[in-house]
Amino acid sequence: KAGVTQTPRYLIKTRGQQVTLSCSPISGHRSVSWYQQTPGQGLQFLFEYFSETQRNKGNFPGRFSGRQFSNSRSEMNVSTLELGDSALYLCASSLEGTSNQPQHFGDGTRLSIL
Amino acid sequence: QQPVQSPQAVILREGEDAVINCSSSKALYSVHWYRQKHGEAPVFLMILLKGGEQKGHDKISASFNEKKQQSSLYLTASQLSYSGTYFCGTEWGGGADGLTFGKGTHLIIQP
Repeated sequence: KAGVTQTPRYLIKTRGQQVTLSCSPISGHRSVSWYQQTPGQGLQFLFEYFSETQRNKGNFPGRFSGRQFSNSRSEMNVSTLELGDSALYLCASSLEGTSNQPQHFGDGTRLSIL
Repeated sequence: QQPVQSPQAVILREGEDAVINCSSSKALYSVHWYRQKHGEAPVFLMILLKGGEQKGHDKISASFNEKKQQSSLYLTASQLSYSGTYFCGTEWGGGADGLTFGKGTHLIIQP
């Protein structure tokens, strides 16, 4: 069974630009969650999508948004990039959600802002 | 609020035991444990549910103390492959608000 696939693996952008990251979950998984990982803050929850609806949202500004498609693939968009957005962005999929369900993580997209 | 993990880092010899703690200031619904090796994705180890049910790894054990709002991960007879950063992720209330992760515990196992 294929794992969670994130593309691209690496991205370099400049301040003010926008970026879109993609996540393909494990086949049959309907929940996709996104996390930002930085050395100082660790893993921080961005949002969770289930059946094309955002079900939970973390404490991030509105510049961070996402969506989920009918095939459960998800995209995350960050607009007006700031230097502090440099991080590893991880997505995780599960059958039904984060509650009582193992999360299967992708390898992440490393975003660097110049 | 993030759960607090302790210790922040630990270095052990192969074969020694390790305990990693995860404490919450809010009532816990469940605790997840993950291990991440450098440059790799976090990997699921275990879920502990309020009420005592445990799902996960048969070579690593854990406890969930509801009174103290704390979970502990026990790594016995550690192997070199246990090296990595261990994260606990907590769910509060009814578990409908997503996972909040601690900052991690760095574990180094030396031969």
